Order: sequence, then structure tokens, then C-alpha cells
Amino acid sequence: GDSVTQMEGPVTLSEEAFLTINCTYTATGYPSLFWYVQYPGEGLQLLLKATKADDKGSNKGFEATYRKETTSFHLEKGSVQVSDSAVYFCALSYMNTGFQKLVFGTGTRLLVSP
Amino acid sequence: DGGITQSPKYLFRKEGQNVTLSCEQNLNHDAMYWYRQDPGQGLRLIYYSQIVNDFQKGDIAEGYSVSREKKESFPLTVTSAQKNPTAFYLCASSIAGRGMNTEAFFGQGTRLTVV
Repeated sequence: GDSVTQMEGPVTLSEEAFLTINCTYTATGYPSLFWYVQYPGEGLQLLLKATKADDKGSNKGFEATYRKETTSFHLEKGSVQVSDSAVYFCALSYMNTGFQKLVFGTGTRLLVSP
Repeated sequence: DGGITQSPKYLFRKEGQNVTLSCEQNLNHDAMYWYRQDPGQGLRLIYYSQIVNDFQKGDIAEGYSVSREKKESFPLTVTSAQKNPTAFYLCASSIAGRGMNTEAFFGQGTRLTVV
């Protein structure tokens, strides 16, 4: 079945460092791809999305490009802040017998120090 | 404001008791989902519903039950048959119906602890 694999954490960075969190997927059809962020004790918030190949999702300085040829959707940010410390989930959405299914990666914890 | 409301935020259960977690949305979404999250792990799907009066088992449905009598509401009951119920439970909804493939919106979660 469809699946998402993302890099294990924690990822530890200093403030203003460059961030990359890798995400690859397997899918038989044409999924939509998402990055969600989870702060401690809270639910997931949508960070960005891309619905077709070569789309770039962006929000709050974060970016990710839907690469069909490499089945990847890596999350990047040019300069991280302490407030970006959270767990990041890569996810895909696909249609199964006419209905939507969501699949999440295991999450990557990001720790940013001052 | 539109959104998804889960209640309570914290819930304590004694061994052998059933408990029900509430999830209400006012986004007019057709699809609703329940996920379980354990420390340091990803999300595992318990149940999902695409329309009223219909729901499907997810990957870890054993020991759980749901109902979908109203579009806005998708309560989850954790029964005494669930052997390890202590976890963080997340409810989500999406506009997805047939042929639509969109993002999900999440509630703030309920932390269930067995005492």
C-alpha cells in the first residue's frame, strides 16, 4: 500500500541554520502531499501542501517541492528559529475506491537552540 | 470560528471502564478520522467515516468503537477490550468526498490515561 518514510530525529540545529527534513513516499496513483507540524501537547497543524508534480508548497519560510521522479517531498527552511522547535509530519492523501485515505510518516522532532 | 473541538483535553480511566471521547466539527466536512499517537511514534488510524451513518475500521480498530449519527460529530469509545489505551487521541476532518483529495484539519487532542 501507499506509505511515507521520513528521516528519524531528533534534528538538532542552532538558530539561523538551514533545515532539511527528508520525506519520500510510495504511491500507486497521484497523491497530494502535506507537511504538518505538532507543538507539545497539541494537535497537528497543516504547514504546507502540494497537489501535483512540480508544485511547491510554502508557508512561514518553509518550502517543499513535489518531486514525482524521485518520489520525494523534502521540507526546507533557510534560517530556523527557536520557535520552530516541534515535530514535523510528512503525509500523503490518495483516493481508495473513491474515498480519501491519509497516510502519515512517523514524524521528525526538530530542536533549535539559541 | 470554524474548527474541530475535542473534549475533554485530559481523561483518566480505571481498568475495565469504557470511556467516550468527543469530537465535533463545524467545518461542514464529510470525512472524519480518529488517530492514536503514542510517545515518539507517528499516527495510527483507528476508524474513519466518509459520510453520515457509515464508518470503516482503520489499522488498529480492535477495542474501539465509533458512531456517526450526525455530520458534525464522530465520538470514539475506548472499551475495556482495549488492552493498552493510554495514549494521545487525535480527531481530524476533511472536506473529501468522492473524488476529492484534500488536507485534513485536526483537533487539539485528548490525552487518555488508565489509572
